[in-house]
Amino acid sequence: ETGVTQSPTHLIKTRGQQVTLRCSSQSGHNTVSWYQQALGQGPQFIFQYYREEENGRGNFPPRFSGLQFPNYSSELNVNALELDDSALYLCASSPAPGTTSNEQFFGPGTRLTVL
Amino acid sequence: AQSVTQLGSHVSVSEGALVLLRCNYSSSVPPYLFWYVQYPNQGLQLLLKYTSAATLVKGINGFEAEFKKSETSFHLTKPSAHMSDAAEYFCAAHNFGNEKLTFGTGTRLTIIP
Repeated sequence: ETGVTQSPTHLIKTRGQQVTLRCSSQSGHNTVSWYQQALGQGPQFIFQYYREEENGRGNFPPRFSGLQFPNYSSELNVNALELDDSALYLCASSPAPGTTSNEQFFGPGTRLTVL
Repeated sequence: AQSVTQLGSHVSVSEGALVLLRCNYSSSVPPYLFWYVQYPNQGLQLLLKYTSAATLVKGINGFEAEFKKSETSFHLTKPSAHMSDAAEYFCAAHNFGNEKLTFGTGTRLTIIP
């Protein structure tokens, strides 16, 4: 069974640029959630995708957007990068929403640094 | 809205001593509750979860947690700390029908040799 994978591992961008982060879900999972973890903080929910549709969004501006593909992999896109976007971005996969416990399995994360 | 509070951002214990990490949730309806561990430069690994079955939950690496509705708590314990337990620990809550996990701010556990 393949776990959740994310790419790239590390990324350095400058303010104003755009970035795309990628995530492959665990085998058998059709739901992907994205979280932002700033240094010294707990992860904050960005949004969730289920069957290629957004299924909930946290308190993040529209310049944070996402996609889910038919194979359930997902992308997180951030436009007009700001210094405060520097963080570890975590992807988590889970079975369909509404299943008990909503246990989410996390990938290793992408460390984004905005200069 | 659900909030999760972890009392103590840093906890230090001696090797072999009891580990106690505290977590409280805010919702009136008990959520599903999780403890995750994060090692440096890594993602989150699930230690254990409470899903309204047994109130005492056993997890991996000798950790366990007890759900107490009257105290809205889900504290994590381990009888005897090991050096390999040094890491960041996060408590998280999920309310059924809501898509997201709500995390606490984390507790960094240091083990003193």
